Amino acid sequence: AQSVAQPEDQVNVAEGNPLTVKCTYSVSGNPYLFWYVQYPNRGLQFLLKYITGDNLVKGSYGFEAEFNKSQTSFHLKKPSALVSDSALYFCAALMDTGRRALTFGSGTRLQVQP
Amino acid sequence: AAGVIQSPRHLIKEKRETATLKCYPIPRHDTVYWYQQGPGQDPQFLISFYEKMQSDKGSIPDRFSAQQFSDYHSELNMSSLELGDSALYFCASSFGQEPFTLHFGNGTRLTVT
Repeated sequence: AQSVAQPEDQVNVAEGNPLTVKCTYSVSGNPYLFWYVQYPNRGLQFLLKYITGDNLVKGSYGFEAEFNKSQTSFHLKKPSALVSDSALYFCAALMDTGRRALTFGSGTRLQVQP
Repeated sequence: AAGVIQSPRHLIKEKRETATLKCYPIPRHDTVYWYQQGPGQDPQFLISFYEKMQSDKGSIPDRFSAQQFSDYHSELNMSSLELGDSALYFCASSFGQEPFTLHFGNGTRLTVT
């Protein structure tokens, strides 16, 4: 069964510092991987996705993620964190089959301190 | 830009009552998904519809049913509500040519007392 793991419940980083939010996956076949961000009492907002192609994917708000097949990872990164980046981040995966339902990780709360 | 619209935003029901949640996808989007997010949990897939037909089924209880109508809006019907059904219910939609990018609504917060 496919699964997505986010090993950190919370990540704390100072404003202006680089940030990394970790995600590992376990899917058979070619993985389709996603990052979503959730602000309080709001729906999930799409940040970026990896379907195929370059391992480094650039997304919204200056975020990027690196697909690493050998380590089965898809870590979210940003060179310089903003206080407004503080939110809940979800990694998600989709198998390259007919199933269209995303499997989400447990979420990582990012706290950026001024 | 138009987004996914969910109504109501908040709903309070008592145990054993019924509830209906509505979702209006982004115009031209042909696929609708329903997710349930319990307190402090990740979203769990319930059910999806493509072109008004059920396309996939997740952990949706038998007490719940859903459908997608001719105008592509969808409704999630929940009967015999239990305390454990209290959660945020999200609808998401996607477009056939970009099938893997889900656009989520702001959710309906259901509280069962």
